[in-house]
Parts: sequence; structure tokens; C-alpha cells
Amino acid sequence: NAGVTQTPKFQVLKTGQSMTLQCAQDMNHEYMSWYRQDPGMGLRLIHYSVGAGITDQGEVPNGYNVSRSTTEDFPLRLLSAAPSQTSVYFCATSRAAEAFFGQGTRLTVV
Amino acid sequence: AQSVTQLGSHVSVSEGALVLLRCNYSSSVPPYLFWYVQYPNQGLQLLLKYTSAATLVKGINGFEAEFKKSETSFHLTKPSAHMSDAAEYFCAVSGSNDYKLSFGAGTTVTVRA
Repeated sequence: NAGVTQTPKFQVLKTGQSMTLQCAQDMNHEYMSWYRQDPGMGLRLIHYSVGAGITDQGEVPNGYNVSRSTTEDFPLRLLSAAPSQTSVYFCATSRAAEAFFGQGTRLTVV
Repeated sequence: AQSVTQLGSHVSVSEGALVLLRCNYSSSVPPYLFWYVQYPNQGLQLLLKYTSAATLVKGINGFEAEFKKSETSFHLTKPSAHMSDAAEYFCAVSGSNDYKLSFGAGTTVTVRA
């Protein structure tokens, strides 16, 4: 089992570009979420989904879109990248009060 | 709403010494509490969790934490530090009926030989 797989691992974007961070899971968990990690701020919830077709906003949703067409995939879209979105992004699945994290995507916006 | 505060952004301990990482929480509902560890360039790994059963929770790698409602605390301890414990540690809280995690800012642990 791969668990939670995020691609790409690293990405550099120019301001204004758009891109999609991919997240795939093979754990058959209904709940998936996206966090961003910034120094001194821990992880903050961007968006989450309680199942296919259902998404909702977290603490810091501005500038990001998500969709959930299947149980397995939960992509995160940056609509128009800004330097403030430079961060490490983590996708996670959850079940029975335990979260399972991917290895992260390190994004730099220049 | 839930939140956590981790006291101390950096902790340095000698190998073999006690590791103590402090976490205080604020929650309007009965909380679930977690400690996660992050090694360099890795994702987060669950160390242990409190979900309203025993207040003393044992986790992996010799770590344990005690839930103290009167002090709104969930401090993490390990009796004897090992070099492999060098990492960043995060305390997190969620409500008992949802999976949304609120994280502390993290504590970086260094272990001196």
C-alpha cells in the first residue's frame, strides 16, 4: 500500500501561474484534507472533504480550489499563484481519529 | 473552536536525559489530542493520541503524554532521549466529532551527544 501519495515533490511557479497539486490515497478513507506548513505557524487547514462530491473550507482557503470526484483523489488548485503561497503543502486522510499524511509538496512562488 | 499552544519553539537535551514538550489546549467541546513527529523533509507521523479513554497515553518510540483537564494540558515526555529523537514535534487538537486538526507552532528537539 502506498498510503497517501503527493505529486510533485517540488515545484517553482512564477507569480500569476496556476497549477494543481495532486493527492491520491489507496486507504479507502472518506475524509481527506489539505494543509500548508509555514515556519513558526504549524500546519493550517486549507480545505477538506468528507467524501466524494463534498468539500468545505478550512482556516486559510483563499486562493485555493478543491474538488473530490472520487474517493481516491483530492487535488488542490492554485488559481493565480502569489509569493504568499510559498509553503510546504500536505495532503492527509483520516479515519478513527488518526490522520495519515503524504510526504509533502514544497512550492516556491517567485 | 479549538487551539493549542506549544511552549518553547526549540528544546535541546542531552542523550539519555528526559524529554519534556509542553502543550496546552483550548477547546469548547471535549477534545481529541494528538502528538505528531516530523523528521526532516518528511510528512507527519502520529506518536500518540488521546480520545477520552485513559488519561495517560503511551505512544511509539517510548513517548507518552498525560491528559490533564484541570490544567488543559497534554505534555509529551520520554524518559531517556536518543539521537534519533531529533525532529520537530507538533501538538494538535480536534473535536471528538470531526477530523479537522488545529496544530501548534511546533517544537524542534535537538539531542546532544
